[in-house]
Amino acid sequence: DAGITQSPRHKVTETGTPVTLRCHQTENHRYMYWYRQDPGHGLRLIHYSYGVKDTDKGEVSDGYSVSRSKTEDFLLTLESATSSQTSVYFCAISRDRGSGANVLTFGAGSRLTVL
Amino acid sequence: RKEVEQDPGPFNVPEGATVAFNCTYSNSASQSFFWYRQDCRKEPKLLMSVYSSGNEDGRFTAQLNRASQYISLLIRDSKLSDSATYLCVVGYNFNKFYFGSGTKLNVKP
Repeated sequence: DAGITQSPRHKVTETGTPVTLRCHQTENHRYMYWYRQDPGHGLRLIHYSYGVKDTDKGEVSDGYSVSRSKTEDFLLTLESATSSQTSVYFCAISRDRGSGANVLTFGAGSRLTVL
Repeated sequence: RKEVEQDPGPFNVPEGATVAFNCTYSNSASQSFFWYRQDCRKEPKLLMSVYSSGNEDGRFTAQLNRASQYISLLIRDSKLSDSATYLCVVGYNFNKFYFGSGTKLNVKP
């Protein structure tokens, strides 16, 4: 068990509504990530965090914001959801294996449908 | 140009076959290399890391060619349970990662 919990696991919402996805970790890792996965695009980085209140943009950050007020929680917010944000969202942590090569471990995913 | 490129497949093979997947990456500063396995509607899970000297884990062998910026995964004696999508992942600066789009494998009885 990697100690990563995503919520909600499934959500259906309407265009224009705000949505917040939560990622919770129990292992005190510094780096956390939000990815989206769509057919034909693979996994694309939305935002990541390298510590409390320290975040940065990924390759597809437009329309998304994040917050990390404590080590264990990383929130992804869609301020005004659009149909193009229908996707599966994965949270991940970077785990230091002690060999200099950190490894990503993923949560189970949050499936979001925007109607 | 994508950072990591893979043949999307699908690769349709019979049980017992040997199958190989390839992956190329564009950033010569890349430091770490991985293969992940993703089952339908599930999260990606680490299959194995890839080292310059090559490494093996049971029926799975991974190779890295830094000069050609090329990674491979060989699966011997394929099982039905190997059916999944295999993702090539490249990391640099310890905490930045890029993903290929994945190669789908179907192992048939």
